[in-house]
Amino acid sequence: GAVVSQHPSRVICKSGTSVKIECRSLDFQATTMFWYRQFPKKSLMLMATSNEGSKATYEQGVEKDKFLINHASLTLSTLTVTSAHPEDSSFYICSGARDGSSGNTIYFGEGSWLTVV
Amino acid sequence: AQKVTQAQTEISVVEKEDVTLDCVYETRDTTYYLFWYKQPPSGELVFLIRRNSFDEQNEISGRYSWNFQKSTSSFNFTITASQVVDSAVYFCALAMNFNKFYFGSGTKLNVKP
Repeated sequence: GAVVSQHPSRVICKSGTSVKIECRSLDFQATTMFWYRQFPKKSLMLMATSNEGSKATYEQGVEKDKFLINHASLTLSTLTVTSAHPEDSSFYICSGARDGSSGNTIYFGEGSWLTVV
Repeated sequence: AQKVTQAQTEISVVEKEDVTLDCVYETRDTTYYLFWYKQPPSGELVFLIRRNSFDEQNEISGRYSWNFQKSTSSFNFTITASQVVDSAVYFCALAMNFNKFYFGSGTKLNVKP
């Protein structure tokens, strides 16, 4: 079963509203999670690194005031798309690293489809 | 800088044909990890394989095989006797410290019956 879960899997929102996407590590603690964005038929691009208890680190070109990231606990990171516009419509996916005796393992969430109308 | 190139945008084959998906990467780090993921239309990333930079052994898993060659910075993926269910977008990815991923642009594989 999934060890990183995203919610919602699909969301439609009106232009100008804000929408929150959650990323949860189900059976491990993730001090760091990552958010990616994928435009239709394109690759996945890293948006930001979410750090538990501190500010997120954004990649160049990503508006931090528009894509608010909060990592409130070791198992939950949230991405809020503020004042959403149709061009924000995309597939958003998160990942978390799980420490193991044989090394880290990365788990990706199932992704969230955002459609702004 | 890290970069992953998947030159093949889309490949179409007929069922039972073998197909190789190419992946070329760039990094100056000596320690890194390479991955292949399958992305069906539903969007989730299905993990296929992970390789670290110190392990150049090729790997076979059922109909899947991977050829890692550091000399050419390539990590190619071959599907033998392709099936319609193999149709998906395949991503090659590079990670330095097992956290931040750099994805290639993906190769869409169409397997026709």
